Amino acid sequence: EVQLVESGGGLVQPGRSLKLSCAASGFTFSNYGMAWVRQTPTKGLEWVASISTGGGNTYYRDSVKGRFTISRDNAKNTQYLQMDSLRSEDTATYYCARHDLGPYWYFDFWGPGTMVTVSS
Amino acid sequence: DIQMTQSPASLSASLGETVTIECRASEDIYNGLAWYQQKPGKSPQLLIYNANSLHTGVPSRFSGSGSGTQYSLKINSLQSEDVASYFCQQYYDYTFGAGTKLELK
Repeated sequence: EVQLVESGGGLVQPGRSLKLSCAASGFTFSNYGMAWVRQTPTKGLEWVASISTGGGNTYYRDSVKGRFTISRDNAKNTQYLQMDSLRSEDTATYYCARHDLGPYWYFDFWGPGTMVTVSS
Repeated sequence: DIQMTQSPASLSASLGETVTIECRASEDIYNGLAWYQQKPGKSPQLLIYNANSLHTGVPSRFSGSGSGTQYSLKINSLQSEDVASYFCQQYYDYTFGAGTKLELK
């Protein structure tokens, strides 16, 4: 059974950093591209970042470029999202998601999410 | 950027009824569309990919159709467990629709 479990969320002040982790199990992690997607009641679902199977290719939405870094450790079956210079508009539930086995078009499994609140 | 307009925003239907949710893209997305179901307090789950392909384990009462800029999700014979929000997502820059909240009448 595919399982994705996020951790690392919490309350953080604007301008500070936070690192999310996603532990994967139930599939060959190194065969799949991975992603982070966030959700707020006002903006809805927003794709944040994606990473290729080996980690050599990364992709970001414009609003987080230069502030967020996606990475993965295939030996630990874990992906990460390092979030720096956090802003109030980054407040959201962050989901770890697995890309389809192919051109990374959609997300076929999601974790339960972890809440990030950016506030002073 | 490709914009996705989803309608209706909310929908109330009776058990056994057929419901249809629509997504319109601002330009041709060549069937590059997925549909997700999100139950209250849970994460989204993939229902349909490539506009009309059913994801593994999804009941056959769910179906997707469309082409070009117009796409739809149909739920036949509505069940109580289908109460949820539904979202479309286009492939090109991963933009999601705003969602449709489906409730029982």
